[in-house]
Amino acid sequence: EDQVTQSPEALRLQEGESSSLNCSYTVSGLRGLFWYRQDPGKGPEFLFTLYSAGEEKEKERLKATLTKKESFLHITAPKPEDSATYLCAAPIRGSGNTPLVFGKGTRLSVIA
Amino acid sequence: EPEVTQTPSHQVTQMGQEVILRCVPISNHLYFYWYRQILGQKVEFLVSFYNNEISEKSEIFDDQFSVERPDGSNFTLKIRSTKLEDSAMYFCASSWDRPSDYSNQPQHFGDGTRLSIL
Repeated sequence: EDQVTQSPEALRLQEGESSSLNCSYTVSGLRGLFWYRQDPGKGPEFLFTLYSAGEEKEKERLKATLTKKESFLHITAPKPEDSATYLCAAPIRGSGNTPLVFGKGTRLSVIA
Repeated sequence: EPEVTQTPSHQVTQMGQEVILRCVPISNHLYFYWYRQILGQKVEFLVSFYNNEISEKSEIFDDQFSVERPDGSNFTLKIRSTKLEDSAMYFCASSWDRPSDYSNQPQHFGDGTRLSIL
C-alpha cells in the first residue's frame, strides 16, 4: 500500500487559473511533510516543510497546508513558469532524518 | 545558496561494468542519501549514510551497491556489475542534523546523474 498518494496525476491550467494539488499520507507519527518541485531532467527542489496539522507555508504563488491525513498545495494565479512536477514526500518513519517516501507527483502545465 | 553537486551528469556504461557516481553534499550537512528515479516512476530511496556508516538501506540496495565518503567532501555510490535495469536517474541528497529536535530536516537534492546501461 502506497504511503503517499498524490492527485491529480496531471493538471492543465490557464494562466491565472488557481487550483490545488492533493497529497494524502498514511505514515504514522508524522514529523515533517515535504513538498518539492521537479523540472524535467533535474533533481527535486525543496519548497516547504510542514510539521503539524493546521500549519501553512507560503512562497510566491504557492501555499502549502497540512491536516492530519493530507496536505494541499494551492497555486494562486499561476504563470507558465510554474509548470513542473510537484512532489510530496513523507519520512518513512516518524523520527529524525529518516529516508523519504515520495508520491508519484502531479505534473502541472500552465498555458499562457 | 549552497547546493548539492553531482558528477557526471550523464554516464553511459556497458552491462557488467562498474560505475562510480560522485556527489559533493552541502558542506555543513551530516546526513547523506542516494535515491534513484526510473524514467516515469517515483523517486525511490536507496541508502542513507551518517557518521561514516550506512544508517539504513532499501531492498534495492543489494550487494552490487556500495557507498563511501572517501574524504571530507565527497560521497560516492558504486555499482559493481551494472545491469540493464540499473538505468535510471540517481540523485544524491543531504540534510542538516539537529539532534535536539526529532523533526525531520529537509533533504536537499542534486540534479542527478543519468545512468544508461547498454
